[in-house]
This record gives sequence, structure tokens and C-alpha cells, in this order.
Amino acid sequence: GQQVMQIPQYQHVQEGEDFTTYCNSSTTLSNIQWYKQRPGGHPVFLIQLVKSGEVKKQKRLTFQFGEAKKNSSLHITATQTTDVGTYFCAGMSASNYQLIWGAGTKLIIKP
Amino acid sequence: SQTIHQWPATLVQPVGSPLSLECTVEGTSNPNLYWYRQAAGRGLQLLFYSVGIGQISSEVPQNLSASRPQDRQFILSSKKLLLSDSGFYLCAWRDLAVSSYNEQFFGPGTRLTVL
Repeated sequence: GQQVMQIPQYQHVQEGEDFTTYCNSSTTLSNIQWYKQRPGGHPVFLIQLVKSGEVKKQKRLTFQFGEAKKNSSLHITATQTTDVGTYFCAGMSASNYQLIWGAGTKLIIKP
Repeated sequence: SQTIHQWPATLVQPVGSPLSLECTVEGTSNPNLYWYRQAAGRGLQLLFYSVGIGQISSEVPQNLSASRPQDRQFILSSKKLLLSDSGFYLCAWRDLAVSSYNEQFFGPGTRLTVL
């Protein structure tokens, strides 16, 4: 079946260091969405990428969609404590328009 | 504006007992509705989705069922809970008439512990 692999599962960083999570789909996607889930909370939509090779920025967050529309990444520059949480990618299948969720990457700030 | 309600927020149930979780959406008509389950520290597992009243698609065969008796009401049920049913249950909605993005909006969730 269609899958979206997301790595790493966890990333421990010192505050101020950068963070990156990657998603790779087994099939071509029509778009990819990113969500953030704070500890104890529910996922909240961050952004959607639609075009091949698209890059979008939200302050310290940079989102990329691959040329083949099969992979995506989220990069956070100079992490802050407010960035703590789990980041999920969700790819929309180009064949049946269902969202396929990655397993999430948990960002942990080292004390 | 649109809001989504889920209740209860937390629930502790014995093995073998029934379950009914309710989700309601306000401020939108004919949304797509979704039930997800999230095990502790894990990703989202899509359980059911609905594109309209009485229309339910099941993604994972299990002892859970879903119903949509009204346009903005989505119910998750079980006749007999298993220990493996413990988790964080999230309801979500999507409506292209509200946003040109395809994003899903999530409710606050119900934390279910089966003992």
C-alpha cells in the first residue's frame, strides 16, 4: 500500500541548534501537508506544499517539496523551547486524494 | 467560524465494556469527518472517514465502528473494549468550501485508558 516514511523518530537538540525532519513517499503526491502536535495537544496544520520543487518559509521554519513530488522536509533554524512537539507530514495521494500520514518526528530540547 | 467538539476529554473503561465517543462540528456544512487513534508516543492511525450522512469508510478492521447520524455529528463506538483500544482518539474535519487547502482541523481528543 501507499506509505509515507518519516525520519528520524526522535531528535534531541540543544536550544539554538537546527532541526530537520524528512518524509519520503512510495508514490507521487498531489500535495504534502505539515502539522505540529504540542505535548498533550492535537495536531495543528502548519502549511501545504503543492508545486514540484516548492519552498516555503514561516519565520524560522523552511518547508521543501521535492522535484518528483515524493519527498519533503521541514527545517527549523535555531530551535526554541516553543518548537517542542511532534511534527507530522501528511501526503495527499495523487490517485485517491486520501491523506497518508508519516509517523512523526519528536523534537526534544536537551535541558 | 468553525469549531469542533469532542467528549469526554478523558475516559477510563474496563475491558469488555462498551464505548461511545462523540464529535460535533459547528460552522460548516457537509464536511468530511475523520476518526484517528494515536497510541502513546506514536503516529496517527486513520480508523474511519465519512463524506456524508450514513456514509462510513473503514480503514482498519477491528472491534470499533463509526456512525454519522447527522451532517455534523460523528460517533465512534465499540461493543466490547480491548486493552489494545487504549489511546488518544482524535476527530477531524475537512471542508474545501472553508479553505482552499486540504487541511484537516482536529478536535481536542479523548484519552481512553482500558484497564
